[in-house]
Amino acid sequence: EPEVTQTPSHQVTQMGQEVILRCVPISNHLYFYWYRQILGQKVEFLVSFYNNEISEKSEIFDDQFSVERPDGSNFTLKIRSTKLEDSAMYFCASSSTGVGNQPQHFGDGTRLSIL
Amino acid sequence: GENVEQHPSTLSVQEGDSAVIKCTYSDSASNYFPWYKQELGKRPQLIIDIRSNVGEKKDQRIAVTLNKTAKHFSLHITETQPEDSAVYFCAPSTDSWGKLQFGAGTQVVVTP
Repeated sequence: EPEVTQTPSHQVTQMGQEVILRCVPISNHLYFYWYRQILGQKVEFLVSFYNNEISEKSEIFDDQFSVERPDGSNFTLKIRSTKLEDSAMYFCASSSTGVGNQPQHFGDGTRLSIL
Repeated sequence: GENVEQHPSTLSVQEGDSAVIKCTYSDSASNYFPWYKQELGKRPQLIIDIRSNVGEKKDQRIAVTLNKTAKHFSLHITETQPEDSAVYFCAPSTDSWGKLQFGAGTQVVVTP
């Protein structure tokens, strides 16, 4: 079964540094998402992306965050100047359509630790 | 925005018994109702979902029921096994781009 792949699995970064999390969505999927999960808490929506632009973002997704699809396969999340509270598991997801009734498949996540 | 609540927050069951988790949502425009299972340190995995035009769906030991009038849907697990131990999240979706609004999760522990 096709999978969403994410790299790295664990990223340790100093506060204030930039970090880029990478995702390879399932190949025929057109809609891409980033979610985050602080340890022990629920999964929170960050942003959705379609046709090379952001379709929706949450209040968490402020000016420090950006997303990009630099080529035909990768989908990245950049945090410009990391804060301690950015420490979390970041999940990428993709789906085959965006009509609200197609399942999203999640990657294994990147654990981001800010020191 | 959507307000999603799950009950109970923890659920302990004996192996072989049934487990039921209820999810209440606020937005009447929600039209897609999935349940995800997350084992410790792993990704959320879709285990079952239902659309708003269907009242019940079953897949082996797992079923989901939807009451759109009352704005809640429930996950039913029968003949529970130790490998069913995990955190279960409901994540109703309201808009056409499929943003999932996760509930707080239910920790299910199945004891042999």
